[in-house]
Amino acid sequence: DAGVTQSPTHLIKTRGQQVTLRCSPKSGHDTVSWYQQALGQGPQFIFQYYEEEERQRGNFPDRFSGHQFPNYSSELNVNALLLGDSALYLCASSLDSGSTYNEQFFGPGTRLTVL
Amino acid sequence: AQSVTQLDSQVPVFEEAPVELRCNYSSSVSVYLFWYVQYPNQGLQLLLKYLSGSTLVESINGFEAEFNKSQTSFHLRKPSVHISDTAEYFCAVRPTGFQKLVFGTGTRLLVSP
Repeated sequence: DAGVTQSPTHLIKTRGQQVTLRCSPKSGHDTVSWYQQALGQGPQFIFQYYEEEERQRGNFPDRFSGHQFPNYSSELNVNALLLGDSALYLCASSLDSGSTYNEQFFGPGTRLTVL
Repeated sequence: AQSVTQLDSQVPVFEEAPVELRCNYSSSVSVYLFWYVQYPNQGLQLLLKYLSGSTLVESINGFEAEFNKSQTSFHLRKPSVHISDTAEYFCAVRPTGFQKLVFGTGTRLLVSP
């Protein structure tokens, strides 16, 4: 049973460019969350997708957008890249069972470097 | 809003010694509490969680954490550490009824022989 997978593993972009990161959730999961982890910091919540809609959003600008596909996989798009966008981007998946708690399983992350 | 404070950025310890990693949180609503571990160049792995019930929770690899509501703390302990425990440890909270995890800045545990 494959866990959460993310691609690519590493990515180098220059300021002003746009980037797309991809996530495949754990088998059976229907919800995907994205987090940004800057160097030396804890992860920060970007947003969560469920039923192809953004369900909750953290304190990130509109340059950060996402999408969820019918197969529950997800993309994170960042436009007009800034040096400060350099970070490890983590995807987490979970199953919305209707209970108050659904465990999130994290992928290995995509390391984005903006030059 | 919620916040998590991990008071120690780095904790060096010798193998087989006990260790405590401290975590305090602030929240105006009830929260679930978590400890995650991150090994180099890897994602986060859930170590243990407190949802309700007994305030002492244990992991399968010897770690334990105790929820103290009055002190708003959730410190992580292990009576005897191994070299393989060297990693970054993150404390996190999740407000009940919300989806996002709020993380602390992490504590790097360095275990030496």
